[in-house]
Amino acid sequence: QKEVEQNSGPLSVPEGAIASLNCTYSDRGSQSFFWYRQYSGKSPELIMSIYSNGDKEDGRFTAQLNKASQYVSLLIRDSQPSDSATYLCAVPPSGSARQLTFGSGTQLTVLP
Amino acid sequence: DTGVSQNPRHKITKRGQNVTFRCDPISEHNRLYWYRQTLGQGPEFLTYFQNEAQLEKSRLLSDRFSAERPKGSFSTLEIQRTEQGDSAMYLCASSDRSSSYEQYFGPGTRLTVT
Repeated sequence: QKEVEQNSGPLSVPEGAIASLNCTYSDRGSQSFFWYRQYSGKSPELIMSIYSNGDKEDGRFTAQLNKASQYVSLLIRDSQPSDSATYLCAVPPSGSARQLTFGSGTQLTVLP
Repeated sequence: DTGVSQNPRHKITKRGQNVTFRCDPISEHNRLYWYRQTLGQGPEFLTYFQNEAQLEKSRLLSDRFSAERPKGSFSTLEIQRTEQGDSAMYLCASSDRSSSYEQYFGPGTRLTVT
């Protein structure tokens, strides 16, 4: 079992729709969870962090965390073509010196 | 606010040659990380510095790889006797003294070994 798993996609949604991206993790001791956006040929860009169970909203983005079920999700409302990118879930394993373990990413395409 | 910078942005080298990459973190960040990313995969952790001390190294970091961070400022990653399997994007990230794990990435150095 991979430490951080994401559906690789590709995921396609029409412009204006809600895009839902999911991530599961294996380390029950993990306390912090991050979503990065990566455009093709570019480096990852931090877009959301979440530390507590529940929802965290930032503009069109909502991160949801359920530690009991060991999953974290990212919702993108009113999706725009500019949201087309690979979304990476990242989790620091418990006991690590702050390194991040990344999933392999979900490729999102927003169709105009 | 100046972000993380990396040089060079691209490097093409022949197998067996040595290469060195540089990373300049965000100025107030004392933590610095190196990752490697290949096509279709997420970044993989290589090594971590807090100030000038190298506190953690991945098993991915073979003996041919060495990293330094003299004086706790910029960092260098050297790969000796490069192999074709070393071809990847090498990413540097930094974070500050807070308890959060938020890491900010530089633009990366794309290495191609021919």
